[in-house]
Amino acid sequence: GAGVSQSPSNKVTEKGKDVELRCDPISGHTALYWYRQSLGQGLEFLIYFQGNSAPDKSGLPSDRFSAERTGGSVSTLTIQRTEQRDSAMYRCASSLVAGGSSYNEQFFGPGTRLTVL
Amino acid sequence: QQPVQSPQAVILREGEDAVINCSSSKALYSVHWYRQKHGEAPVFLMILLKGGEQKGHEKISASFNEKKQQSSLYLTASQLSYSGTYFCGTDNNNDMRFGAGTRLTVKP
Repeated sequence: GAGVSQSPSNKVTEKGKDVELRCDPISGHTALYWYRQSLGQGLEFLIYFQGNSAPDKSGLPSDRFSAERTGGSVSTLTIQRTEQRDSAMYRCASSLVAGGSSYNEQFFGPGTRLTVL
Repeated sequence: QQPVQSPQAVILREGEDAVINCSSSKALYSVHWYRQKHGEAPVFLMILLKGGEQKGHEKISASFNEKKQQSSLYLTASQLSYSGTYFCGTDNNNDMRFGAGTRLTVKP
């Protein structure tokens, strides 16, 4: 079946511009996660959704970052007034449900590589 | 909140064993292990739940000490294909936090 997809695969933008990154989770997965990964580094948690609600937004680095999810499916991560330090791979993952009481392994998408010039 | 992994890097010869450790300062509901090869997305290896249940690949084994909030991943008789960066993820029934990763290199 189809896995997690993300678009665009690459995005080059100029400092100060806004960007939107899209994630299509696996059909039926109610939980969706956004992470940021700098080159050679680990996965930095940004935000997760259970359905359309985001119980934990604590990982968003600044108020320039926002995310939404509609219809319990597609999610968009928006970065406003991009800065060079925002350059990284942005990864999305989905799981059947969120929460540690079940087998909620995450399936990762291929990522969007963002470069801010 | 981020779990701590050790060691940061390991170099093995084919056939050798390795242990990767993960510890958290928070009470955990589950621990996840993923492997990421260069230029690829992380791939699920194993999940260990509070209470002893676990699910994962047959050739991978791991332990989860709930009291100590620690987990270890055991790689035995390593193969070249085991090379990559291993991440543990800790879930306290709220969100997921990943460690900084352990870079494993298996040489012939």
